[in-house]
Amino acid sequence: NAGVTQTPKFRVLKTGQSMTLLCAQDMNHEYMYWYRQDPGMGLRLIHYSVGEGTTAKGEVPDGYNVSRLKKQNFLLGLESAAPSQTSVYFCASSYGVGSTDTQYFGPGTRLTVL
Amino acid sequence: GENVEQHPSTLSVQEGDSAVIKCTYSDSASNYFPWYKQELGKGPQLIIDIRSNVGEKKDQRIAVTLNKTAKHFSLHITETQPEDSAVYFCAPKQGGSYIPTFGRGTSLIVHP
Repeated sequence: NAGVTQTPKFRVLKTGQSMTLLCAQDMNHEYMYWYRQDPGMGLRLIHYSVGEGTTAKGEVPDGYNVSRLKKQNFLLGLESAAPSQTSVYFCASSYGVGSTDTQYFGPGTRLTVL
Repeated sequence: GENVEQHPSTLSVQEGDSAVIKCTYSDSASNYFPWYKQELGKGPQLIIDIRSNVGEKKDQRIAVTLNKTAKHFSLHITETQPEDSAVYFCAPKQGGSYIPTFGRGTSLIVHP
């Protein structure tokens, strides 16, 4: 099993450009999450999904959109990138409520917005 | 929502010493208490967890203790080694919630 994978690993954007980050998991997990990690701020939840076709806002959703068309994939979109979105982005997945609550993380995507 | 605090934010020890990191939470309904380790350039990974019906759990050199009355749990690492150097996060969670709340992390540095 590959676990949780993220594409791309690195990306540099100019202000105003758009991009999509892809997260894939092969563990048949119900729940998936997108976090951003900034120095001294820990992990902050952007959006999450509790099943195929569902999404919900987290702590810092502004400027981001997500989609979960397939159970194994969770996409994070930036429609018009801003320098404040420079960060490391992590995707995570878990089995779901009532089961093991462990979160499994991907390796991260380092995004720089100039 | 859950308010989570981790202390200390940075911990520097000599190889072979013990290290203790404390996590304080506010939601008395929290019932799952994990610790994650994040090595440089990687995603966080679960190293140990405990549920609310257990007071302590050990796995070789690491242990987690829980005090539900005082609403805090701690990570204990004995005989620290340089490879223990990493950032450690606590992430308590309520059973009926979809979302854990992560602490801000503790940077552990083990000097050879």
